[in-house]
Amino acid sequence: AQSVTQLGSHVSVSEGALVLLRCNYSSSVPPYLFWYVQYPNQGLQLLLKYTSAATLVKGINGFEAEFKKSETSFHLTKPSAHMSDAAEYFCAVSESTGGSYIPTFGRGTSLIVHP
Amino acid sequence: DAGITQSPRHKVTETGTPVTLRCHQTENHRYMYWYRQDPGHGLRLIHYSYGVKDTDKGEVSDGYSVSRSKTEDFLLTLESATSSQTSVYFCAISDGGLGNQPQHFGDGTRLSIL
Repeated sequence: AQSVTQLGSHVSVSEGALVLLRCNYSSSVPPYLFWYVQYPNQGLQLLLKYTSAATLVKGINGFEAEFKKSETSFHLTKPSAHMSDAAEYFCAVSESTGGSYIPTFGRGTSLIVHP
Repeated sequence: DAGITQSPRHKVTETGTPVTLRCHQTENHRYMYWYRQDPGHGLRLIHYSYGVKDTDKGEVSDGYSVSRSKTEDFLLTLESATSSQTSVYFCAISDGGLGNQPQHFGDGTRLSIL
């Protein structure tokens, strides 16, 4: 069974600082991995996805994530935080179960950006 | 943006009443999902559908039922609402059972049960 752990329910950074949001997964096979962002009163939007083509994945808004199989991690980074990056971020893993790929989500990390 | 409409967007009702939430898509995607989002729990899957009349349970399906009579519509029903079902409900769609297909989400329904 797959599971996703996001370390830290809240991460606080200053504007211009590095953003690092952590995601670890457990899966018996190489999974498909996703990061989503949720702004207040909205649904989730896809930031980026890993599908085994490359270990370093670039997404929208300057975010990227690196798949590390040995560490079972898929951490999200951005070199320089903007105020507009303040949102909830979710990591998700998708693995085949009974012929369907049903994603499992982490509990989310709230990114707070200080001026 | 993917064409997903959830209705109603907000609802307040009383314990014991039936409630139906609707998800409508214009993308002709095969898979549709219902999630609930609660503080500290992230997104939890209630039910999903992989085709017309084909549905399956998620991790928190107790107290909920679903129906999908047309590709574009996926209904979530609370037969007898309880206060523990107060939550924000999200519908999502995806283009198939392949694991590399991302989900697209509606804007949510905020449900309060008094």
